[in-house]
Amino acid sequence: GQSLEQPSEVTAVEGAIVQINCTYQTSGFYGLSWYQQHDGGAPTFLSYNALDGLEETGRFSSFLSRSDSYGYLLLQELQMKDSASYFCAVTRSNDYKLSFGAGTTVTVRA
Amino acid sequence: SQTIHQWPATLVQPVGSPLSLECTVEGTSNPNLYWYRQAAGRGLQLLFYSVGIGQISSEVPQNLSASRPQDRQFILSSKKLLLSDSGFYLCAWSGGTSGYEQYFGPGTRLTVT
Repeated sequence: GQSLEQPSEVTAVEGAIVQINCTYQTSGFYGLSWYQQHDGGAPTFLSYNALDGLEETGRFSSFLSRSDSYGYLLLQELQMKDSASYFCAVTRSNDYKLSFGAGTTVTVRA
Repeated sequence: SQTIHQWPATLVQPVGSPLSLECTVEGTSNPNLYWYRQAAGRGLQLLFYSVGIGQISSEVPQNLSASRPQDRQFILSSKKLLLSDSGFYLCAWSGGTSGYEQYFGPGTRLTVT
């Protein structure tokens, strides 16, 4: 089976840094993806980690530690438009599927 | 560029009525196609996925079915809707041999009354 855990809610002020942690238990783990979903909208792909380490894409970075079955998404220089739900999702070897976590709602305050 | 279409955007259906949701992808060939359902404030539950025409894998036993009559067309159906079928239905596609980067359609918000 598979399980993913991430915090349900995070609140921060504009300009701050937020880290969303994701721990997983997945047989045949291949990689960890992150998606953003604004209220009422469709999820959009943010990043993917298959190897240990940090991947940086603008203000967002994602980290993976395969030995710890752990990853995180780092949101820097928070803006109001970053208020959304963020999902971690795992893929397994030789698999086309994603298994999503329950999501973390990030609220950015002025 | 690739685009994904879903319709309708919203739908209100009575219990026991049939359902047909359609998804089409443009600008790519032989995509992997997915149907998800999302309950309010929850994560995405994978319902079906397809790696080719006529190839459907079901993830969750339920009264829903899926079909892929053409390479870039994916249809979600039900013969008789239940109240528990209410939710936000999302179609997605990915390319190549991995599904880690998926592109989602705008979704259909279904309310069963």
